[in-house]
Amino acid sequence: GAVVSQHPSWVICKSGTSVKIECRSLDFQATTMFWYRQFPKQSLMLMATSNEGSKATYEQGVEKDKFLINHASLTLSTLTVTSAHPEDSSFYICSARGGRGPGGELFFGEGSRLTVL
Amino acid sequence: DQQVKQNSPSLSVQEGRISILNCDYTNSMFDYFLWYKKYPAEGPTFLISISSIKDKNEDGRFTVFLNKSAKHLSLHIVPSQPGDSAVYFCAASIMNRDDKIIFGKGTRLHILP
Repeated sequence: GAVVSQHPSWVICKSGTSVKIECRSLDFQATTMFWYRQFPKQSLMLMATSNEGSKATYEQGVEKDKFLINHASLTLSTLTVTSAHPEDSSFYICSARGGRGPGGELFFGEGSRLTVL
Repeated sequence: DQQVKQNSPSLSVQEGRISILNCDYTNSMFDYFLWYKKYPAEGPTFLISISSIKDKNEDGRFTVFLNKSAKHLSLHIVPSQPGDSAVYFCAASIMNRDDKIIFGKGTRLHILP
């Protein structure tokens, strides 16, 4: 089946530094990828929709200058957490749809746990 | 404003019995519903889905029931197995509008030996 890979799976950084997380669709092309964030004991929160070749669409309340998304190719989207702070510590998950349309199966990456000291 | 609600944060079920996970939604525009399973420190994996034109969809041990008038859906797992212990997320979307999927907070299922 379709596979979505994230890297790194975990990262620890100092406050004020920037961290980049990669999301790759390994055996299919994804014109759209999604980035989610999950706090402990909470739901997956959609942060933004990453569109290949165009600007990402951010959900309300998500700072686009804080969470930079780049979708440079049909198989790669990156999320950069800029000037990270401890409150940015979270589990970040990307996903991509293997087929067309919202009813198709959504494949998720393994997730990346960010800890900001 | 939580559009997809899973009011039970956790559920414990004896191995071999039926597990029933519930989900309510508020947006009547939702017409496609999905269930995902998630293990700790991993991304969610798709389990089963249902379109609003149906009221039941079955796949092996998993059955999803949809009650549109009540804006309620449920996931039945029978018989429950130890490997079913995980967090289950209910999700909803509006087909042919965008690809956004709205998730509930999840229900942690414990299968007891």
